[in-house]
Amino acid sequence: AQSVSQHNHHVILSEAASLELGCNYSYGGTVNLFWYVQYPGQHLQLLLKYFSGDPLVKGIKGFEAEFIKSKFSFNLRKPSVQWSDTAEYFCAVITISSGSARQLTFGSGTQLTVLP
Amino acid sequence: IAGITQAPTSQILAAGRRMTLRCTQDMRHNAMYWYRQDLGLGLRLIHYSNTAGTTGKGEVPDGYSVSRANTDDFPLTLASAVPSQTSVYFCASSDLSGTQYFGPGTRLTVL
Repeated sequence: AQSVSQHNHHVILSEAASLELGCNYSYGGTVNLFWYVQYPGQHLQLLLKYFSGDPLVKGIKGFEAEFIKSKFSFNLRKPSVQWSDTAEYFCAVITISSGSARQLTFGSGTQLTVLP
Repeated sequence: IAGITQAPTSQILAAGRRMTLRCTQDMRHNAMYWYRQDLGLGLRLIHYSNTAGTTGKGEVPDGYSVSRANTDDFPLTLASAVPSQTSVYFCASSDLSGTQYFGPGTRLTVL
């Protein structure tokens, strides 16, 4: 079964700092990759996704992520964070195989705190 | 378009009681899911349904049951609640690409 690792459990940054959150998955086949964000007290919202094509994908609110197949990674980046980016971020993977339900496997999440 | 709605928003429940969490979507998605979210554990899949009339077990199905009588509704039932089922429960549905969309959640406390 596939697994998703988010190595940073809690990241604390000052406003305007650059952000990179790590995500690694364990599956050798075709994958669809997602980053979700959960603001305090809210539900998960889709930040960005990668299915195929350009491995650098851009999402909402200035976020981007790069798929590096050789490293099984899909790291999330933002050049300059804002206080409003304080949230929990989840990486998720769907493995693409015939005949199976497309179930997401989530990482355990990274709590980002941005200090004003 | 509401997307996914869940009810109740929150609930405090005595141990041993039966409880049904409701989930309704208006996106005509075939697949639906129930997750529980616990601190430090991320989201864990409880049950899923690929289409109306079918259901399957996820990672943590024990103590929960689901039904899928139609496309829009996917209720989750706790037959006899226990304190370890205290959690935040999220319902989701997915489009054909597998992208999942989440409801606002139900915060359940079992005493």
